Amino acid sequence: DGGITQSPKYLFRKEGQNVTLSCEQNLNHDAMYWYRQDPGQGLRLIYYSQIVNDFQKGDIAEGYSVSREKKESFPLTVTSAQKNPTAFYLCASSISSGRPGEQFFGPGTRLTVL
Amino acid sequence: LAKTTQPISMDSYEGQEVNITCSHNNIATNDYITWYQQFPSQGPRFIIQGYKTKVTNEVASLFIPADRKSSTLSLPRVSLSDTAVYYCLVGDMIRGNAGNMLTFGGGTRLMVKP
Repeated sequence: DGGITQSPKYLFRKEGQNVTLSCEQNLNHDAMYWYRQDPGQGLRLIYYSQIVNDFQKGDIAEGYSVSREKKESFPLTVTSAQKNPTAFYLCASSISSGRPGEQFFGPGTRLTVL
Repeated sequence: LAKTTQPISMDSYEGQEVNITCSHNNIATNDYITWYQQFPSQGPRFIIQGYKTKVTNEVASLFIPADRKSSTLSLPRVSLSDTAVYYCLVGDMIRGNAGNMLTFGGGTRLMVKP
């Protein structure tokens, strides 16, 4: 089955620790995205990547970092600099960000910082 | 940047047609209109996308007037399983301007009652 996988589904970390969220897709999509969603709110863009080895900051990139070394993988690191990291994190991909294509979302990772 | 305005919430009953309107007064010439559906603790799911007039697929219709300053998502004969949050997005990704298209507002919470 083609799709996007995120792991783990739930993640707990102590304050001050960096944590990396996994996102993998086998849809052969060029573009990938990371969003953050807080309770009762819409999605906010953290980072996006249109092509391998390239990525751009979204609206709330501070305290986060990403890499795009492979087409199918776009891991997100939540650093200790992120002041309020507890949230629901969603990864998505699309065929290309060069046209208004459909975004396919993963199941999400719920991060709780204790 | 094109900003969208949607009702915060709507109630309906099973079997009724539901129309959710999105205002986007400063939509640009190259902008497309896209709607997503999100269930709790899941990633959003693409519903429909259009540029002008009317678009219909197996789950919904999208009506866009000539001035394109608003759009209406129409869900025919809703069921309890259509209870979800619906997001309207407006943006242009053709020129690589991914910012608009990737801004999810608060969405409209649709509650379908038996």
